[in-house]
Amino acid sequence: DAGITQSPRHKVTETGTPVTLRCHQTENHRYMYWYRQDPGHGLRLIHYSYGVKDTDKGEVSDGYSVSRSKTEDFLLTLESATSSQTSVYFCAISSRGNEQFFGPGTRLTVL
Amino acid sequence: AQSVTQPDIHITVSEGASLELRCNYSYGATPYLFWYVQSPGQGLQLLLKYFSGDTLVQGIKGFEAEFKRSQSSFNLRKPSVHWSDAAEYFCAVSRPNAGGTSYGKLTFGQGTILTVHP
Repeated sequence: DAGITQSPRHKVTETGTPVTLRCHQTENHRYMYWYRQDPGHGLRLIHYSYGVKDTDKGEVSDGYSVSRSKTEDFLLTLESATSSQTSVYFCAISSRGNEQFFGPGTRLTVL
Repeated sequence: AQSVTQPDIHITVSEGASLELRCNYSYGATPYLFWYVQSPGQGLQLLLKYFSGDTLVQGIKGFEAEFKRSQSSFNLRKPSVHWSDAAEYFCAVSRPNAGGTSYGKLTFGQGTILTVHP
């Protein structure tokens, strides 16, 4: 399995609080992605990175920001969490921007 | 914009029966095509992928998929289902990353939940 870890694995927070999720890889892959998974929607791309400090928006980026200061870490921040951001968040990595390998996910509940 | 449709939300089969999960995509050219499987509470595991060439693709766990350009389909098949195949299956597409311009962004279908009866 690709070396991808996500932290925390579970988090409960309150509306209006900031939240940061971390994705860490040991594969030295160039591309990293954040998706959210919701019933009936499959997975939807939030943000992605194509190199250190190079990031861009995905399909559902409103309310989220990301940072990638080094190859191995990709952070997803919810500046002010809302109940609509309750979801399961998956990080993925890719070496050449073709097939992606996914982390174990983070279950986030916003009360 | 590309899109993916998995027409069947839930499929139930008996153990040992054959399986076909449907996937249709909308895209202007031939995309990269993928099937992923997700067991409850787990991440996604890549079953197989199609980039080009032979339209019948073999994957892990005895799965195969056939790309049909004329039907814009990439259906997943298995000749004999095992109880351990019960999971959710996702079809996904991306634009070919020729020249590094598409970044491999995946568009997923809604998923098909597979239940296997003994």
